Amino acid sequence: GAGVSQSPSNKVTEKGKDVELRCDPISGHTALYWYRQSLGQGLEFLIYFQGNSAPDKSGLPSDRFSAERTGGSVSTLTIQRTQQEDSAVYLCASSVRDPHEQYFGPGTRLTVT
Amino acid sequence: AQTVTQSQPEMSVQEAETVTLSCTYDTSESNYYLFWYKQPPSRQMILVIRQEAYKQQNATENRFSVNFQKAAKSFSLKISDSQLGDTAMYFCAFMNRDDKIIFGKGTRLHILP
Repeated sequence: GAGVSQSPSNKVTEKGKDVELRCDPISGHTALYWYRQSLGQGLEFLIYFQGNSAPDKSGLPSDRFSAERTGGSVSTLTIQRTQQEDSAVYLCASSVRDPHEQYFGPGTRLTVT
Repeated sequence: AQTVTQSQPEMSVQEAETVTLSCTYDTSESNYYLFWYKQPPSRQMILVIRQEAYKQQNATENRFSVNFQKAAKSFSLKISDSQLGDTAMYFCAFMNRDDKIIFGKGTRLHILP
């Protein structure tokens, strides 16, 4: 079946603009994660959705970052008033509770100029 | 707080050799999951192998196997008969009972022809 998809694959934006990144998880996966990966670095956890529970937002770096998940499926990560330090690859992953394996999307490369 | 440490930022081995990537973690929990993920230059994260902490038997997937030492909080990955396609970043990851996953900073592995 289809894997996790993300759009756009690449986004170039000017400093101060808002951006929206989209993630379509695998159908039936109840959990959805957002991560940020800076050049050559590991993955930084941003936010986690599990079913209808309140999301775990503990990884969001500032109040400029927000995310929502509509209907338990598609998720949008929004970055307001983008800064150059927001430039990174944003990865989305989805999973089921058991066996806890995360399936990753191809990521969105965000460049803030 | 849980942490994951990969002490080898970069490694190179000849094709067909065996290589071991190190990972240690810190947690006070007794039940958790451990993973190794591979990220080739294409950027797509792929699950390599997983281990449940309550299982003493080391997980194996074809040429990939782990050495899980729970008391030492060590989870190393062994790649046998390495192939050029194994060239990638390898991330060790820990998942706690809250389904939150923490990644190490990664080991960049080069398989040399």
